[in-house]
Order: sequence, then C-alpha cells, then structure tokens
Amino acid sequence: AQSVTQPDIHITVSEGASLELRCNYSYGATPYLFWYVQSPGQGLQLLLKYFSGDTLVQGIKGFEAEFKRSQSSFNLRKPSVHWSDAAEYFCAVGAGGGADGLTFGKGTHLIIQP
Amino acid sequence: DAGVIQSPRHEVTEMGQEVTLRCKPISGHNSLFWYRQTMMRGLELLIYFNNNVPIDDSGMPEDRFSAKMPNASFSTLKIQPSEPRDSAVYFCASSRTSGGLDTQYFGPGTRLTVL
Repeated sequence: AQSVTQPDIHITVSEGASLELRCNYSYGATPYLFWYVQSPGQGLQLLLKYFSGDTLVQGIKGFEAEFKRSQSSFNLRKPSVHWSDAAEYFCAVGAGGGADGLTFGKGTHLIIQP
Repeated sequence: DAGVIQSPRHEVTEMGQEVTLRCKPISGHNSLFWYRQTMMRGLELLIYFNNNVPIDDSGMPEDRFSAKMPNASFSTLKIQPSEPRDSAVYFCASSRTSGGLDTQYFGPGTRLTVL
C-alpha cells in the first residue's frame, strides 16, 4: 500500500525567506505525486504534480518541487515566501495519477513571520 | 466553470440522525471522489466513482456510510445513524478522465458536527 510522510507538522518562516517542505513517499512503482494547498476554511488547491519526465516541476504561485527517486522524496520549495503563503500544505501520491484515489500526508502547517 | 459544488457547507446534527451530504462535480468530469478530513487521521479517501460506478469503497468506515452517484452530475454521501466520531470535514473532488492522468479538483467541503 502506498503512504506519504510529511515529517514537519509546523514550519515557521520569515517573510521573504526561502522555504522547503519535506515529503517522503512509499510506493512500489513509479508514483504520481502532488502538492496541494489548503487555506483556512477552504478546499484543496493543486500547486503542482509530477507524472514523469523532468524531475523538477514548476507550479503555481512560484512553487516548485523536485522528485528524487533514490530518496523517495518530493520536496516543495519556494525561493521567497509571502504572508499569503500561510496555509496547510499536503503532499499526496496516487496510483492512477488522479483518476484513482489519492493518499495524502498529514500536512504541514506553514506560519509566516513578518 | 463553477467548480465542484458541495452542500450543505455546515451541518450540525444530533447522534442517531441521518445525514446526507451532496456533491455536484465539474461538468464533463468522469471521476468523483469523497474524502474525509479529521485532525487525528488527516485526509482519507472514502470512496470513488468512475462513470457513475463505484470503483473502490474500501475506505468507507462502516455500514453506516453509503454513497451513490445516480447520474454524472450528482452524488450523495449518507451517514445513518450518525455518531459523534463522524464529525469531520467531508470533501468531494472530481477529475476529468478515468484511467488517465489528470488533476482532482476539490470542493469547499462540508463541515459536519454530530452532537
């Protein structure tokens, strides 16, 4: 069975600083990987996804993620965070790439300090 | 496009009552998913449909939960009888293709409180 681990429950970053959110997955085949963001009281919005090809994936809002098969990781990065980036971030893995159900990590709560 | 529509947005009920959550997927999407989000367990897949047919309901917690998709534009998740431990946010999501590589779009969720 597939699983996702987000080791950091909370992360605090100063506005303008760089950000990296960690994600490790467990899956027997080539995974389909996703990062979603959830603002308070809202649904989930897709930031980016990886299916194949280039291991560095660009997403919306200036986010990127890098797939590293050797480390079973798919970490999310942003060079300079804005106060509006404060939210809950979820990493997910799917077998069917979106047509099958996703397995989510527990999430990382991002706090932005002024 | 209006996105995935869920109703109600909030539901407060008493233990033992029947609860019905509703979802309208994005027009043209063939796959529909129900997820539950709690503090303890995070986001869990309950069930999903492809072309209105339930494909995997292994995440449904118990027989008190049932889901239907009578047509391509409507799905329900029913809990009968409800219990306090069912309190959670329930999300519906849809994607365009079945067996393909596509994005799941999430609705705003229904926050259920069972007293």
